[in-house]
Amino acid sequence: AQSVTQLGSHVSVSEGALVLLRCNYSSSVPPYLFWYVQYPNQGLQLLLKYTSAATLVKGINGFEAEFKKSETSFHLTKPSAHMSDAAEYFCAVSGTGGYNKLIFGAGTRLAVHP
Amino acid sequence: DADVTQTPRNRITKTGKRIMLECSQTKGHDRMYWYRQDPGLGLRLIYYSFDVKDINKGEISDGYSVSRQAQAKFSLSLESAIPNQTALYFCATSDSGQGKRYTFGSGTRLTVV
Repeated sequence: AQSVTQLGSHVSVSEGALVLLRCNYSSSVPPYLFWYVQYPNQGLQLLLKYTSAATLVKGINGFEAEFKKSETSFHLTKPSAHMSDAAEYFCAVSGTGGYNKLIFGAGTRLAVHP
Repeated sequence: DADVTQTPRNRITKTGKRIMLECSQTKGHDRMYWYRQDPGLGLRLIYYSFDVKDINKGEISDGYSVSRQAQAKFSLSLESAIPNQTALYFCATSDSGQGKRYTFGSGTRLTVV
């Protein structure tokens, strides 16, 4: 079985500061890992995904995440926060086999202050 | 047109009523999923289908049923709606090539009063 734990339901940063959103996974099989973003009153948008290629994954809007097997982590970072980054972020895990489903974490709401 | 279309977008219904949420896709994907989103709980899987003849319960299937009418259509029903089923519901699809590509609908906001 797979699961995801997102540390911190709310994160607040100043504009221009580093964004770090934490995600740890549990999986008995090699995982695929995803980060999604949800802006207010909108659906889900894929930020980036790890599918067993490079461990450092670059996504849209300047975000990136690093897969660390030894730490079972897939933390999301952005060097400099922008006001438009304020949203809810979801980490998700899926197995790599033929029959798998996407399992989400509880989400982290990011606030960006001037 | 959207790849994954959910109808209705918003719905208010009364306790005890039967309601159906519909999902259709033009992605040609075999796999379809229903999730519900609640504040602080993320998205939780209700039901999923890997092909037309394959239906599986997710982690929170109680009180829900589904129908996979065709490859492109996957409906979620609440037989007797209750207030704690008030949530945002998402339909999603994925390809069958190890499931790396998921496409989500825009969501249905359901309120049960």
